[in-house]
Amino acid sequence: GQQVMQIPQYQHVQEGEDFTTYCNSSTTLSNIQWYKQRPGGHPVFLIQLVKSGEVKKQKRLTFQFGEAKKNSSLHITATQTTDVGTYFCAGRSGGSNYKLTFGKGTLLTVNP
Amino acid sequence: GAVVSQHPSWVICKSGTSVKIECRSLDFQATTMFWYRQFPKQSLMLMATSNEGSKATYEQGVEKDKFLINHASLTLSTLTVTSAHPEDSSFYICSARFSSYNEQFFGPGTRLTVL
Repeated sequence: GQQVMQIPQYQHVQEGEDFTTYCNSSTTLSNIQWYKQRPGGHPVFLIQLVKSGEVKKQKRLTFQFGEAKKNSSLHITATQTTDVGTYFCAGRSGGSNYKLTFGKGTLLTVNP
Repeated sequence: GAVVSQHPSWVICKSGTSVKIECRSLDFQATTMFWYRQFPKQSLMLMATSNEGSKATYEQGVEKDKFLINHASLTLSTLTVTSAHPEDSSFYICSARFSSYNEQFFGPGTRLTVL
C-alpha cells in the first residue's frame, strides 16, 4: 500500500532559525496536503498542493511539491514560538474516496 | 473554515463496555467522514471511511465488528468501540469533507481511556 515517509521526526530550533520538514511518498500523488497539530490539539489544514513543481507561500511558510509529485517540503523562515507543533504531510494517490495517507509528522519545538 | 465537533471530548470506561463517539459537521453537509486513531506521539492512522447512507470502508487490520461506524446523515457519523479493552485506549479523531473541497476538517478528538 501507499506509504508516506516524513523526516525528521523531531526538530528543535532557536527562535529565529529556519526549519524544514520533508515528505516522500512511495507512489505518485494526485495531491499533497499539510496539517499542523498543536500539542493537545487536533490537526488543522494548512495547504494543498496539486501541480507538479508547485510552490506556495503563506507568510513565513513555503510549501513545495516535487516535479515527480512524490515528494514535498515545508520550510518555515525565522521560526517563532507560535510555530511549535507537529507538522504532518498527507498524500492522496487518486480515486474517489479522498483517502489521505499521513506521514508520521515532524515535531517542532522552538526555544525562545 | 468549516467546523466539526466531536462528543465526548474524553471518556473513561471499564474494560468490556461499549463507547459511542459522535462526529458532527456543524455548518456544512459532509459527503464523506473519516475516523482516525492516534496513539501518543504518533501519526494519524485511518481506521475507516464512511459515506452517508452506505457501509463504511475499513482499513486493513481494523475490525469492523469491533469499531462500528454509522453515518446516518450528512452531518453525523458515530463510532462505537464495542467491548473496549485497555489496548483500545487512544485519541480518536474524525474528519469530514464536502464535495467541493479536498481538504479535510478535523474534529477536536475524543480521548478514550479503558481501565
